[in-house]
Amino acid sequence: AQRVTQPEKLLSVFKGAPVELKCNYSYSGSPELFWYVQYSRQRLQLLLRHISRESIKGFTADLNKGETSFHLKKPFAQEEDSAMYYCALAPRFGNEKLTFGTGTRLTIIP
Amino acid sequence: KAGVTQTPRYLIKTRGQQVTLSCSPISGHRSVSWYQQTPGQGLQFLFEYFSETQRNKGNFPGRFSGRQFSNSRSEMNVSTLELGDSALYLCASSLERQGGGYTFGSGTRLTVV
Repeated sequence: AQRVTQPEKLLSVFKGAPVELKCNYSYSGSPELFWYVQYSRQRLQLLLRHISRESIKGFTADLNKGETSFHLKKPFAQEEDSAMYYCALAPRFGNEKLTFGTGTRLTIIP
Repeated sequence: KAGVTQTPRYLIKTRGQQVTLSCSPISGHRSVSWYQQTPGQGLQFLFEYFSETQRNKGNFPGRFSGRQFSNSRSEMNVSTLELGDSALYLCASSLERQGGGYTFGSGTRLTVV
């Protein structure tokens, strides 16, 4: 079975400070990891996926297979980063579903 | 191009009734998934369809069902509504046959009274 854990339900960070949203996963096969974001009154949207190794809106995430983690990081927080962030996992092969963590609400303090 | 469209946006139903929600995926997307979102449970997977076939089903009672049509549009149905079914129901579509690069709709907010 696949499982995604986001240990922090709430996270507050001052503007300009670094941000790290934690995500740990459990999956025996080869996973594909994602971060989704939901801004206030907007639909859930894909922020980044580990296979593309992109930096979106200044956010990056590195898959650490040894620690089974996929933490989301940004060096300098901006007020517009306030949102709900979900980590998600899907098997790279096979037909199993996309599984989400419970989410972390990030608030940037001006 | 048009995004994922869900109708209706809001619904109020009474206990015991049934409801049907609709989802139109992005043109060309053949995979459609449904999720239930609540403050307490987060995003819970309901089911996934690909080319009119249900590929996966979550841990929801049989009152929750769905289907996909040949044009990839999907519907989900909830029968004998309970108060606990109140939630935001999200639909997501994907071009890929597997993996999670989904595009989500705005959702249908169902309130059961």
